[in-house]
Amino acid sequence: KQEVTQIPAALSVPEGENLVLNCSFTDSAIYNLQWFRQDPGKGLTSLLLIQSSQREQTSGRLNASLDKSSGRSTLYIAASQPGDSATYLCAVRNNYGQNFVFGPGTRLSVLP
Amino acid sequence: EAGVAQSPRYKIIEKRQSVAFWCNPISGHATLYWYQQILGQGPKLLIQFQNNGVVDDSQLPKDRFSAERLKGVDSTLKIQPAKLEDSAVYLCASSLKFGQVNTEAFFGQGTRLTVV
Repeated sequence: KQEVTQIPAALSVPEGENLVLNCSFTDSAIYNLQWFRQDPGKGLTSLLLIQSSQREQTSGRLNASLDKSSGRSTLYIAASQPGDSATYLCAVRNNYGQNFVFGPGTRLSVLP
Repeated sequence: EAGVAQSPRYKIIEKRQSVAFWCNPISGHATLYWYQQILGQGPKLLIQFQNNGVVDDSQLPKDRFSAERLKGVDSTLKIQPAKLEDSAVYLCASSLKFGQVNTEAFFGQGTRLTVV
């Protein structure tokens, strides 16, 4: 059974810092991995999707990497801004199962 | 492109009452998911449809929860009777059929259910 963990659970940084969020999964037979952002009281917004054959994806100030063999993905946020404050969730889709298994999320606060 | 639509946004009911949630996925998306998100946790899958067939409902509490996706488009999720522990956000998501190149999942705004 796939299990997904995220470290740290919460993170507070001053504006302008670069930061890394971590996601780990137990079963490396994944189809893809997706990073989401969730603002309080809102749904999930897709940030990046990495296929199992890819090593990384970039969108603006965001860069996500994937290392299947070690069961890890990282989300790098460059030059953080207060507007980046939200909960960040990673979700893994297995080869054999078709649904997404989510981690518990990392709650990010970027202080002005 | 229109996103995933859900209604209602909020619902407060008393325990033992029934409630229904509605979801309209992105046009052309064959796969539809219902997730339950308890405060402070990641979403947990309740049920997954491919067109109008159920792919996975292993974590759906079938004694009280039911879901259907008639005609392979809109879906409804029902809880009857509700319990206090059902208080959560219910998220609907959709994606292209598994196996296609881009199976990015898109989520609706969710329905926040409070059972009192």
